[in-house]
Amino acid sequence: GAGVSQTPSNKVTEKGKYVELRCDPISGHTALYWYRQSLGQGPEFLIYFQGTGAADDSGLPNDRFFAVRPEGSVSTLKIQRTERGDSAVYLCASSLSGSRGDTEAFFGQGTRLTVV
Amino acid sequence: AQTVTQSQPEMSVQEAETVTLSCTYDTSESDYYLFWYKQPPSRQMILVIRQEAYKQQNATENRFSVNFQKAAKSFSLKISDSQLGDAAMYFCAYRSGNTPLVFGKGTRLSVIA
Repeated sequence: GAGVSQTPSNKVTEKGKYVELRCDPISGHTALYWYRQSLGQGPEFLIYFQGTGAADDSGLPNDRFFAVRPEGSVSTLKIQRTERGDSAVYLCASSLSGSRGDTEAFFGQGTRLTVV
Repeated sequence: AQTVTQSQPEMSVQEAETVTLSCTYDTSESDYYLFWYKQPPSRQMILVIRQEAYKQQNATENRFSVNFQKAAKSFSLKISDSQLGDAAMYFCAYRSGNTPLVFGKGTRLSVIA
């Protein structure tokens, strides 16, 4: 596609429920990143994929969070047993390569998750 | 760990005037990259300008320029001839090698007509 696409744009869920957030990166981009942005804060790193594998998942806050990228393109961020503190905007970004620091990362418009 | 600090939560500027947004960072690396991103209400982060640490010359992109002071670990963004469309959140970010971007907390810029 022309840009990074994230679905849904907004998601409201009840505490304790399971949610999946989808990211469709720019075609040909091997690197994919998930960030979480809480209100009034900058984006915080969650996980980075190079191809199909998670190259760095050090930002995942706990084992309720999990992400996959089975075919090296679309990625899904999965959150189990959601808590109100999980409410945030979840941003996805992709880049041609993750190995070069100057490679531009292109961001999607994010999914706003609200846990009630 | 690398950190990025933006000490100005909010700034305002008159249309057509110049404004400078501040950013400092902490790192022990010698080779890294610095970025300024703009985030309008649409939430999509847009790259404004980037600077390679090994380049002494300050980066410039049209009305946007940076003042990169490597020894002081300072990376400020100057917006000249401010326009209403410049109003947004601005985030300073750092990256070294293949590490993910590290962002500051952002500065909300308002442009007054």
